Amino acid sequence: GIQVEQSPPDLILQEGANSTLRCNFSDSVNNLQWFHQNPWGQLINLFYIPSGTKQNGRLSATTVATERYSLLYISSSQTTDSGVYFCAVIAGNAGNMLTFGGGTRLMVKP
Amino acid sequence: GAGVSQTPSNKVTEKGKYVELRCDPISGHTALYWYRQSLGQGPEFLIYFQGTGAADDSGLPNDRFFAVRPEGSVSTLKIQRTERGDSAVYLCASSLTGGLRETQYFGPGTRLLVL
Repeated sequence: GIQVEQSPPDLILQEGANSTLRCNFSDSVNNLQWFHQNPWGQLINLFYIPSGTKQNGRLSATTVATERYSLLYISSSQTTDSGVYFCAVIAGNAGNMLTFGGGTRLMVKP
Repeated sequence: GAGVSQTPSNKVTEKGKYVELRCDPISGHTALYWYRQSLGQGPEFLIYFQGTGAADDSGLPNDRFFAVRPEGSVSTLKIQRTERGDSAVYLCASSLTGGLRETQYFGPGTRLLVL
């Protein structure tokens, strides 16, 4: 099946700093979503972005489908950005279940 | 409802017992998914319903796991003869029609602990 790798696995930032999270995938995808899992475990949808670039406030994402990677940018980080960020994809030929990466655990310090 | 809801939020049971976990999807969503998340890992797919039928149950780990969605809305995940290794967060998600290019929306999860 498709492999989804996220980097870095862990990230510690000072409040106000910027960061880039990366998601590499091993095959063509129909669907790519970024989620933020907050400390209470809720998966919050950030972006549906199988290709192209989107922005929402301090967050933006870019997916280059032909090169099989996606990037999530966090600018001016806040302590509330802490949690785990997951990239998940639906592979081109494998049903419609999401396959998740291992996540990037982000801690933003005040 | 406004979002996907799941009950109970937490469930503690003893090894060998039977448990039921409930998921109420977003109103009008015909597609419903169950995932399982072990500590420190990303969620893993269990089963997908389109309407009342299980369209893909390839992620169920063994025959102790079963899920139903009798009226095409609420779904129940059933685990028989629970084992300690079943301890995890069970997540439910729904999407509008199950299309490959749709957003899946997740509920808050049920944290299952098998003692």
